[in-house]
Amino acid sequence: EAQVTQNPRYLITVTGKKLTVTCSQNMNHEYMSWYRQDPGLGLRQIYYSMNVEVTDKGDVPEGYKVSRKEKRNFPLILESPSPNQTSLYFCASSLIRDSYNEQFFGPGTRLTVL
Amino acid sequence: QKEVEQDPGPLSVPEGAIVSLNCTYSNSAFQYFMWYRQYSRKGPELLMYTYSSGNKEDGRFTAQVDKSSKYISLFIRDSQPSDSATYLCAIDNTDKLIFGTGTRLQVFP
Repeated sequence: EAQVTQNPRYLITVTGKKLTVTCSQNMNHEYMSWYRQDPGLGLRQIYYSMNVEVTDKGDVPEGYKVSRKEKRNFPLILESPSPNQTSLYFCASSLIRDSYNEQFFGPGTRLTVL
Repeated sequence: QKEVEQDPGPLSVPEGAIVSLNCTYSNSAFQYFMWYRQYSRKGPELLMYTYSSGNKEDGRFTAQVDKSSKYISLFIRDSQPSDSATYLCAIDNTDKLIFGTGTRLQVFP
């Protein structure tokens, strides 16, 4: 089944404790992206990657890191989480094409930072 | 000014009603417009997309773009309780999608 998977689905942690949220896709997509979703603010892009070893900042990159060492994986790293990073996080992937960009989303990771 | 603005709702309608969901956008250069649907505790999924101006129909759903007024709409005919979800408009800005904040829709029997 074609899908984007994320782990963990739920995470409660404390301020300053480094964490990684994994994202994997099995569709051979070049493009991958991380979003956070907050009430009243909608989906905001954190980082994206056009291909292996190519990453770039989105709209809200502060406090996050990413890496793209393999095509299928795009982990999101919070080196020192803070309470304002409490949010619902989505990973997405798509083919790069000249026309529209249909992104396939993972199921989400709900993160709480105490 | 936000690049995409969307009324957050919530919108509550009886089964069988016609639903109209709307967004406005600021940049006239945008060409691809999409609607995503997000059920509770799930990731968004693409519902429809349109290119430039005009209408596109898919079953009970019609997407409409009016580039002259920078207005995009999604119409749902004969709405069903299974349509209860959050609907997000999105605009393709080359290397990223710009999302509206989403409108929560509830269709009650």
